[in-house]
Amino acid sequence: EAGVTQSPTHLIKTRGQQATLRCSPISGHTSVYWYQQALGLGLQFLLWYDEGEERNRGNFPPRFSGRQFPNYSSELNVNALELEDSALYLCASSLMGSQPQHFGDGTRLSIL
Amino acid sequence: ELKVEQNPLFLSMQEGKNYTIYCNYSTTSDRLYWYRQDPGKSLESLFVLLSNGAVKQEGRLMASLDTKARLSTLHITAAVHDLSATYFCAAEIQGAQKLVFGQGTRLTINP
Repeated sequence: EAGVTQSPTHLIKTRGQQATLRCSPISGHTSVYWYQQALGLGLQFLLWYDEGEERNRGNFPPRFSGRQFPNYSSELNVNALELEDSALYLCASSLMGSQPQHFGDGTRLSIL
Repeated sequence: ELKVEQNPLFLSMQEGKNYTIYCNYSTTSDRLYWYRQDPGKSLESLFVLLSNGAVKQEGRLMASLDTKARLSTLHITAAVHDLSATYFCAAEIQGAQKLVFGQGTRLTINP
């Protein structure tokens, strides 16, 4: 069974640009979660999508947004990138209402 | 607001020794998770603890949950080098499908 896959592995951007990160959940999983793992801040919940709808959102500004497609894959978009957005972004998936969340390998976003 | 605190944050120990990592959380949460993260890698699910008094064991690792004390522990028995990693606990906000993670405990096991 294929796990959660994320792309790209690494992404380098400059301040003010926009970044798009992608995630494919485990087959059969309908829920996708996004987390940010930044140095010194630990793992922080960003977004939860299920059945194409945003179900919950962490304490992040609106320039962090995303969507979930009919095939349950998901995109995370970060607009107007700032230096402090540099982090490892982890995507996880699960069956709706079920745990644990299974994590992908992450996308490392570096802002120059 | 649910907060999760782990201690210690750094732990260096010798092979063959036993030790315990503690995870405290601030408000009611009936589900507690333990994950392992190797450097540059993603998180691997270790244990899911769903009820008060739950105890789960896998190899040299054993996790327990006391919901009344809002405390979970991860006990390492007779540590071996390949257990070196960062261990995270996470508590779930009920109904929100949101995991709140502890800071992580970086465990180094020396030969």
